Amino acid sequence: SQQGEEDPQALSIQEGENATMNCSYKTSINNLQWYRQNSGRGLVHLILIRSNEREKHSGRLRVTLDTSKKSSSLLITASRAADTASYFCVKRDSWGKLQFGAGTQVVVTP
Amino acid sequence: DAGVIQSPRHEVTEMGQEVTLRCKPISGHNSLFWYRQTMMRGLELLIYFNNNVPIDDSGMPEDRFSAKMPNASFSTLKIQPSEPRDSAVYFCASSLAARVNEKLFFGSGTQLSVL
Repeated sequence: SQQGEEDPQALSIQEGENATMNCSYKTSINNLQWYRQNSGRGLVHLILIRSNEREKHSGRLRVTLDTSKKSSSLLITASRAADTASYFCVKRDSWGKLQFGAGTQVVVTP
Repeated sequence: DAGVIQSPRHEVTEMGQEVTLRCKPISGHNSLFWYRQTMMRGLELLIYFNNNVPIDDSGMPEDRFSAKMPNASFSTLKIQPSEPRDSAVYFCASSLAARVNEKLFFGSGTQLSVL
């Protein structure tokens, strides 16, 4: 089974709007990472949040982590067409393996 | 740095043929990962190496798949014989170490089509 299940599966917004996607996981984690994948390209690391952190920012990205609910959210503020991509949350399981979810496909229209 | 380099970018082959995918990790990175991505199964970890040694190959689908890392700057993933269900995008990624907080750097992938 896949850890790090993203929700929604797909999201369509207009430029300037905010995009929020969520990620749930099943077992305890040391950290949770978010990656972006543009069509036809490899994944690019966006941000890492540790289990003892509740919120982290990087530019227009804001990530939150709620370990009691075993969930994380990624917010992209003031979205741009270039933000069109798939976004994955990734957690490292107790065996040390990085487990990817199915991803959220975000489409930002001008 | 050029990043993780994979070749070929695209591969089209016929069922039964041998396929070899290649990867050059980022210089200085100690860990290398092979992933497979399909619409149905998403991203699956096939195998990863630490200091050129295979650590976990439990994700390798079957004996038709094999991976090697003869040195710190080169790895191959071989499929022999290939089957249509092997069609996917294969990604190689590297990191400084397989430690908990290390992030992965991905190559651009090899799109494999087995006819």
